[in-house]
Amino acid sequence: NAGVMQNPRHLVRRRGQEARLRCSPMKGHSHVYWYRQLPEEGLKFMVYLQKENIIDESGMPKERFSAEFPKEGPSILRIQQVVRGDSAAYFCASSPRTSGRGSYNEQFFGPGTRLTVL
Amino acid sequence: GENVEQHPSTLSVQEGDSAVIKCTYSDSASNYFPWYKQELGKRPQLIIDIRSNVGEKKDQRIAVTLNKTAKHFSLHITETQPEDSAVYFCAKNAGNMLTFGGGTRLMVKP
Repeated sequence: NAGVMQNPRHLVRRRGQEARLRCSPMKGHSHVYWYRQLPEEGLKFMVYLQKENIIDESGMPKERFSAEFPKEGPSILRIQQVVRGDSAAYFCASSPRTSGRGSYNEQFFGPGTRLTVL
Repeated sequence: GENVEQHPSTLSVQEGDSAVIKCTYSDSASNYFPWYKQELGKRPQLIIDIRSNVGEKKDQRIAVTLNKTAKHFSLHITETQPEDSAVYFCAKNAGNMLTFGGGTRLMVKP
């Protein structure tokens, strides 16, 4: 049973280019979360998606960032016109369907994509 | 607010000693408190978690305690080993997301 998959593992972009990060959740998981980790810092929530729906994007910057989780295929985090401050590790996590009222499911993380903006 | 305060930011112990990391929070709605271990350049890995209906949970050398009234929870590692060296993050659920502490860099000296 493969874990959460992310690709690419490393991505280098020049300022102004676009970055596309992909995440395939664990088999049987329908909830996907994206987090950003700056060097020497903790993880910061960006967005929570289920298939074809953005449930919570309260952590997403208002401009240049977007996310989707289509019916078929991986979830994609897209950063347009990247700037040096976007350099970070971007982690995707997945969890299974909510099992019941008041229950909270564990989140399992992928290996991350390390984005470097030159 | 939604923040989680984690202390200490760095912790150095001798192999075989115990290590304790503490986290505090302020909101009352959280009911799930996981701990993650992150080695350099690797993904965060869930090592133990606790839900608000219990006060303590143990798994071999690792234990977590939760005081919901005081709004703090702690990670205890006994008989530390060099391979325990990593950054440890506490977290709590906040709506649909996890909110993480700032991390503790644990160094276990052989």
